[in-house]
Amino acid sequence: EAGVTQFPSHSVIEKGQTVTLRCDPISGHDNLYWYRRVMGKEIKFLLHFVKESKQDESGMPNNRFLAERTGGTYSTLKVQPAELEDSGVYFCASSQVGGQHYNEQFFGPGTRLTVL
Amino acid sequence: QKEVEQNSGPLSVPEGAIASLNCTYSDRGSQSFFWYRQYSGKSPELIMFIYSNGDKEDGRFTAQLNKASQYVSLLIRDSQPSDSATYLCATQGGGGSYIPTFGRGTSLIVHP
Repeated sequence: EAGVTQFPSHSVIEKGQTVTLRCDPISGHDNLYWYRRVMGKEIKFLLHFVKESKQDESGMPNNRFLAERTGGTYSTLKVQPAELEDSGVYFCASSQVGGQHYNEQFFGPGTRLTVL
Repeated sequence: QKEVEQNSGPLSVPEGAIASLNCTYSDRGSQSFFWYRQYSGKSPELIMFIYSNGDKEDGRFTAQLNKASQYVSLLIRDSQPSDSATYLCATQGGGGSYIPTFGRGTSLIVHP
């Protein structure tokens, strides 16, 4: 069974440009999460989808970030316009169950975003 | 602000030794505790979780939890070079939140 996949693996863009990251969760997983790790810092939560609905977007840093999950399958995270501080590794994770104290989240390999 | 603290390392141990990885957390309401292993450039992979005070063993791995001291550890027995990775500690459940709070990770190097 395929794991969580993310595309692209790396992206280098200039400040002010737009970038769209994609995540394909494990088939059948209704819960999809986005996280970000800035260099030298810990992995931080961005938002959580249940199917196509945003369950929790409390971690989204500002309105330059837009996440979608049309049809409840894959998700995209768009950064527009990108700023230097947006550089980092963006992880996607999915789980079968959510909203519980324990839900095993399966992580993708991440997209390394560099904003110059 | 919920915090999870880990020594960044690297922690270097010889092959066959016991590696001890430690983590402290600030949110006394945390209920679930996780250890993830992350190889360079790869996905974090869940290797252990623990809810109750005490020890939980799974193969060569033992997770230890002490809620009174707000401390969780991971012991790796008979360490192998393939165990060399970054180990992330995460907590969950504080304040009713199911969103995990991660530490920055400890780099482990097991040398032959």
